[in-house]
Amino acid sequence: DLVMTQTPLSLSVTPGQPASISCKSSQSLLHSDGKTYLSWYLQKPGQSPQLLIYEVSSRFSGVPDRFSGSGSGTDFTLKISRVEAEDVGVYYCMQCLHLPPRFGQGTKVEIK
Amino acid sequence: EVQLVESGGGLVKPGWSLRLSCAASGFTFSTYSMTWVRQAPGKGLEWVSSISTRSTYIYYGDSVKGRFTISRDDAQSSLYLQMNSLRAEDTAVYYCAKGTSYNWKVFDFWGQGVLVTVSS
Repeated sequence: DLVMTQTPLSLSVTPGQPASISCKSSQSLLHSDGKTYLSWYLQKPGQSPQLLIYEVSSRFSGVPDRFSGSGSGTDFTLKISRVEAEDVGVYYCMQCLHLPPRFGQGTKVEIK
Repeated sequence: EVQLVESGGGLVKPGWSLRLSCAASGFTFSTYSMTWVRQAPGKGLEWVSSISTRSTYIYYGDSVKGRFTISRDDAQSSLYLQMNSLRAEDTAVYYCAKGTSYNWKVFDFWGQGVLVTVSS
């Protein structure tokens, strides 16, 4: 079974400082069409998840440009260039190539 | 504005059944795949089931296969999840999510979720 592993599981960040979350897949997420199917979601406290990034690095509509995604194959990173108070919550990567779609364990981001 | 509103949750005993509904608005429901994702209390997200347009393709996670049935009514812009033989481990908030036009496994809008509690 495909496994998605996120690190770290929690992160405490000073406002204005950068943050980075790693996500590793046990199988390549590169499709024969050339695209890599890895998405990122943020679940703010008490809210439903929201889509941030799809296909590794494409920001969803309305997502601030301080969020960026990178990576290839099996190793991916979500970066927040300057963390703001509204960025707190749990971040999930999700592979959307293979069945079943699978989420990482989540990374909880808090503000110092 | 896209809206997804789940309903039908509640407290049931093990072995009982429950039917969740998701009322969609703000987009042409019939042209998008739809998905159920659940989240056990204090835990992460788990994909449950997805249904394509025209119900052509239906997929289930191993943990619910054979017990849950996903369906859709395009005339009513509604998504359903029939849950039978419920177990304690099915206790979770269930989210209805809309797939994007470019990948049904990318979920661009989510409902607020509905709580299902299975307990004796």
